[in-house]
Amino acid sequence: KAGVTQTPRYLIKTRGQQVTLSCSPISGHRSVSWYQQTPGQGLQFLFEYFSETQRNKGNFPGRFSGRQFSNSRSEMNVSTLELGDSALYLCASSLASGLAGVYEQYFGPGTRLTVT
Amino acid sequence: AQSVTQLDSQVPVFEEAPVELRCNYSSSVSVYLFWYVQYPNQGLQLLLKYLSGSTLVKGINGFEAEFNKSQTSFHLRKPSVHISDTAEYFCAVSGTGGSYIPTFGRGTSLIVHP
Repeated sequence: KAGVTQTPRYLIKTRGQQVTLSCSPISGHRSVSWYQQTPGQGLQFLFEYFSETQRNKGNFPGRFSGRQFSNSRSEMNVSTLELGDSALYLCASSLASGLAGVYEQYFGPGTRLTVT
Repeated sequence: AQSVTQLDSQVPVFEEAPVELRCNYSSSVSVYLFWYVQYPNQGLQLLLKYLSGSTLVKGINGFEAEFNKSQTSFHLRKPSVHISDTAEYFCAVSGTGGSYIPTFGRGTSLIVHP
């Protein structure tokens, strides 16, 4: 079974621009979560989608948004990019929502975003 | 709310020596515990998990961890490390019910020297 895929793997953007990152979960997985990883803050939870609905949201400004499609693929968007948005963005998929039991996540390789 | 503390940011060790990476957590609900490994320029890979039952959990690549409820710890161990174990290791705690989104520790960089 193919793992979680994320595109693109690397991205360079300029301050003020917007960016869209894509994540394809493992086949059959319905929950997708997004994380931001930086050396200073570590892994921080952005949001979780399940069956096209946002179930949970982390403490990030409204510039960060996401969505999930009917095939469970997910995108996240960051508008008006700031230098501090430079990070590795990780997507993780899970078979079901954690409300149904243990929330075991499988991570993609990440998208490295650099904002200049 | 839950939190995770990885007590060492960096652990240097020689090849074939044993290693222990420490993790302490706090939570107001029952927990599931995980250890992940991250190699350079890659995502996180699940090493092992504690859900319930036996407190000694065995994972991939020869790693094991012991859940200690009284000390709220979940330390990761390997009896003999290899150069290829050089990576970042993350401990994570996930609560039951509505607290299922995991909280991750800041990571421990394991550096294996020849």
